[in-house]
Amino acid sequence: EAEVAQSPRYKITEKSQAVAFWCDPISGHATLYWYRQILGQGPELLVQFQDESVVDDSQLPKDRFSAERLKGVDSTLKIQPAELGDSAMYLCASKTGTPLTSRDTQYFGPGTRLTVL
Amino acid sequence: AQTVTQSQPEMSVQEAETVTLSCTYDTSESDYYLFWYKQPPSRQMILVIRQEAYKQQNATENRFSVNFQKAAKSFSLKISDSQLGDAAMYFCAYRSPSGSARQLTFGSGTQLTVLP
Repeated sequence: EAEVAQSPRYKITEKSQAVAFWCDPISGHATLYWYRQILGQGPELLVQFQDESVVDDSQLPKDRFSAERLKGVDSTLKIQPAELGDSAMYLCASKTGTPLTSRDTQYFGPGTRLTVL
Repeated sequence: AQTVTQSQPEMSVQEAETVTLSCTYDTSESDYYLFWYKQPPSRQMILVIRQEAYKQQNATENRFSVNFQKAAKSFSLKISDSQLGDAAMYFCAYRSPSGSARQLTFGSGTQLTVLP
């Protein structure tokens, strides 16, 4: 069964350093999401793409976070510089259809757990 | 903005017994989707069950069923014949209807422990 892949699974960094996370969605899934999940809380949407285009990045702290999906397939989320409050699980999800179609199921990757020291 | 509330941070159930997880939500929309997701320790989140708001019939998936009360804005998950593998964090989620780019809004989760 196809799965959403993410790497690395774990990342420890010092504050002010740059970090990057990678996501490879299920083949054929046009819509891709990045979520942040703070320990003990539910995921919160950071950014969503349809193909290579950003559909919604209203919750992305753009002063330090950036996301891209250049060829409309895999995606990279970057934080520069990392802050202590960025420690969280970063989840990637994908689905068929467009961001505007609600019926399709989102499939989640295993996440990258970031610890900022 | 929609909000999703899970008032039970932790729940426990004896193996083979039944447990119900609570979820309430706030919305002004009439058409939407509701979900329960399961997140096992160190494993990815998976969809357990989905309910369309326009359907009166409660969704069921094997041992999992929901009690959807639209007027009360309540969406509880019932797990029957609980198994050790059901132990996980369970998230209730709301999705706006088509036409809105804003997608899943999650509750804060309920940690379910299954006791042997």
